[in-house]
Amino acid sequence: GQQLNQSPQSMFIQEGEDVSMNCTSSSIFNTWLWYKQDPGEGPVLLIALYKAGELTSNGRLTAQFGITRKDSFLNISASIPSDVGIYFCAATNFGNEKLTFGTGTRLTIIP
Amino acid sequence: KAGVTQTPRYLIKTRGQQVTLSCSPISGHRSVSWYQQTPGQGLQFLFEYFSETQRNKGNFPGRFSGRQFSNSRSEMNVSTLELGDSALYLCASSSDTRDNEQFFGPGTRLTVL
Repeated sequence: GQQLNQSPQSMFIQEGEDVSMNCTSSSIFNTWLWYKQDPGEGPVLLIALYKAGELTSNGRLTAQFGITRKDSFLNISASIPSDVGIYFCAATNFGNEKLTFGTGTRLTIIP
Repeated sequence: KAGVTQTPRYLIKTRGQQVTLSCSPISGHRSVSWYQQTPGQGLQFLFEYFSETQRNKGNFPGRFSGRQFSNSRSEMNVSTLELGDSALYLCASSSDTRDNEQFFGPGTRLTVL
């Protein structure tokens, strides 16, 4: 099935560093979402974006809805150990309840 | 508010058997979606139910089916299990007003031997 292109696939960073990841699509979407998944658990919704160009923050997390509506970005500032996990972007359109997911970015913090 | 719950959390079956997984959405949520997550294919949409009706369906064979009850609880069934059906099956619910914001349960880990 279709998946969004998410990069990087994995990241190894030190605690306190900032993190950036992005997600692109060949199709236009009018809703972008970012989720985090811990091992053995379901994805947890971090941020939802509804408007092209929108910049939304949730604590140390900031996400942007690309102007072309074909991409989105997630930044994490001053990373801490509990940020470890897999981050997924997802996108959909109004009236369509199906989420299309990215391939995931695995974040590891090096001690 | 309690989150989405799924039972059982873990299941081991053999090829050819069938399995039923259960999902209870967040109270007040009427939309329930199911996803399959595997290392190779990632998260793939199975189907979505709203008010006991299937509203949307992904590209999975007919062996995968589901239903929703009047209290919005949902079940999915997989018949004639194959090795490739081993996966984490995730259920998500959403509200009527923000139906694009889906909240996931912990999943059911199905292993087919």
